[in-house]
Amino acid sequence: AQSVTQPDIHITVSEGASLELRCNYSYGATPYLFWYVQSPGQGLQLLLKYFSGDTLVQGIKGFEAEFKRSQSSFNLRKPSVHWSDAAEYFCAVDPPRNQFYFGTGTSLTVIP
Amino acid sequence: NAGVTQTPKFQVLKTGQSMTLQCAQDMNHEYMSWYRQDPGMGLRLIHYSVGAGITDQGEVPNGYNVSRSTTEDFPLRLLSAAPSQTSVYFCASSPGTVYYNEQFFGPGTRLTVL
Repeated sequence: AQSVTQPDIHITVSEGASLELRCNYSYGATPYLFWYVQSPGQGLQLLLKYFSGDTLVQGIKGFEAEFKRSQSSFNLRKPSVHWSDAAEYFCAVDPPRNQFYFGTGTSLTVIP
Repeated sequence: NAGVTQTPKFQVLKTGQSMTLQCAQDMNHEYMSWYRQDPGMGLRLIHYSVGAGITDQGEVPNGYNVSRSTTEDFPLRLLSAAPSQTSVYFCASSPGTVYYNEQFFGPGTRLTVL
């Protein structure tokens, strides 16, 4: 069965510090991979996606993610975090059948 | 474009009551889906549709019905609400079903079942 693991339930970083959110998936082949962000009380917004090709993908708001096939990982990074980045972040995979499987999310707190 | 819209934003039901959560999109997307979001569990797929007249079950379909009579609308029905259905419900749509596509999410409906 497909699964998505986000091992960090909650992360706290200082503003200006770098950030890495981890995501591992379990699937026989390479799925389509996504990172979404959810601000409190809001819907989900797509940050970036990986389908094929270059394993380092750039997204909105200065985020990037790197796909590592050997580790079945798709970690999200940002070099310098801003207070407005505080939110919940979800990794998702599409096997692909347009049936998304989401991780349990990582809550990010940014301290001044 | 309004994107994906959901109504109502909030709803409180008593156990056993029925209701329909509405979802509409104005982007002519083929694919639509319903998720529920529960603390510590991420989003889980309830039902999805690959086009008008075609629906299928997702990961957690029990207690929910759907239909897709038009491309634009994909309502989710709770026939007899239970406290376990207290959750935040998100509708999403995607341009196609054959090629990889991101999903666009609505703002959500927060449902409480007493």
